[in-house]
Amino acid sequence: DAGVIQSPRHEVTEMGQEVTLRCKPISGHDYLFWYRQTMMRGLELLIYFNNNVPIDDSGMPEDRFSAKMPNASFSTLKIQPSEPRDSAVYFCASQASSGNTIYFGEGSWLTVV
Amino acid sequence: TQLLEQSPQFLSIQEGENLTVYCNSSSVFSSLQWYRQEPGEGPVLLVTVVTGGEVKKLKRLTFQFGDARKDSSLHITAAQTGDTGLYLCASPRKLSFGAGTTVTVRA
Repeated sequence: DAGVIQSPRHEVTEMGQEVTLRCKPISGHDYLFWYRQTMMRGLELLIYFNNNVPIDDSGMPEDRFSAKMPNASFSTLKIQPSEPRDSAVYFCASQASSGNTIYFGEGSWLTVV
Repeated sequence: TQLLEQSPQFLSIQEGENLTVYCNSSSVFSSLQWYRQEPGEGPVLLVTVVTGGEVKKLKRLTFQFGDARKDSSLHITAAQTGDTGLYLCASPRKLSFGAGTTVTVRA
């Protein structure tokens, strides 16, 4: 079975550019999460969706970050404009409402220079 | 401040040795989880503990949930190089993770 699929795996971009990260959750999962991981702050929840509806976006750092889930099989996390402090690994994860296991993708490694 | 405090932050041991990592909080949890993250990959669930005092074993890994359900520990017996990774405890209800313990097992 395919797991959570994220793209791109790696991205290097210049400060001020727009960054779009993409995620395909596991089919049938009702919840989708976006996490950010850094050495300083660990794994932080940015936003999560239930049945494509954003439930809690209190972890989104600021207005430069936005996330959408237009359908059950696709989500994006957008940073505009990007800044060097946004450099991190961004994980997408999904979970079935019937379970308590969060399944993570392999992450998108973002470097903003 | 972290909801879940993990210690130690780093641990380096020789293959064959035992190790214990800890996850503590001032909050009470209905359940806690342990994940392992290998370099370049996302975290993978190892176990969920739900009952105070519960002990679960997964081969050489032993997980314990504190009686008061505020803390948990992970003990690895006779560590192998394949146990190397970042061990994270998590609150599934609060969707939050501890900062993790980076375990390095040297051959």
